Amino acid sequence: DTGVSQDPRHKITKRGQNVTFRCDPISEHNRLYWYRQTLGQGPEFLTYFQNEAQLEKSRLLSDRFSAERPKGSFSTLEIQRTEQGDSAMYLCASSDDRKNIQYFGAGTRLSVL
Amino acid sequence: QKEVEQDPGPLSVPEGAIVSLNCTYSNSAFQYFMWYRQYSRKGPELLMYTYSSGNKEDGRFTAQVDKSSKYISLFIRDSQPSDSATYLCATWLSGGYNKLIFGAGTRLAVHP
Repeated sequence: DTGVSQDPRHKITKRGQNVTFRCDPISEHNRLYWYRQTLGQGPEFLTYFQNEAQLEKSRLLSDRFSAERPKGSFSTLEIQRTEQGDSAMYLCASSDDRKNIQYFGAGTRLSVL
Repeated sequence: QKEVEQDPGPLSVPEGAIVSLNCTYSNSAFQYFMWYRQYSRKGPELLMYTYSSGNKEDGRFTAQVDKSSKYISLFIRDSQPSDSATYLCATWLSGGYNKLIFGAGTRLAVHP
């Protein structure tokens, strides 16, 4: 069990650029979640995958955001045409079906200049 | 009204103090409650996981749930400087996709 891994840890980009983040969940976990956390706030749910199926998306996930989990293993979160308001920590979590104990990665901190 | 309310602090205590961290929630259907600890620029780390009302103890940490008043607490005994972090309470609604609903977090500083 190597834990949830996220890459990169920090991304600095200019407004209007596209960015992509990767999450590798704990290997036996079939559930994968993305959350966004801004300064002074708790994480907010963005989207959920069970295996490769994306089953729920938050209203926070605008059309510029897309997430995939092509083979039910790692997941990617892409933000197109980034805006300054997208600056936040993007967290990935995974769990199995038995208990909803979600284990979080270290996050990707996005800074949009 | 947010579904989970948490005093953001900051809370500053001397080493060895007993710390009490609290959250309230609005939906009586919530049954599962968690406490996460988050160090600066790191991801949340699960501390305690409780179901329904009552107390659960793990070392220096005790989680308490009072469903009648929709109030959850985390107590830290003999606090240490290494406990300095942000503490997040969270809950989720069973029967759905189990997305966690977090409070805003309470920042705790334990000074030597």
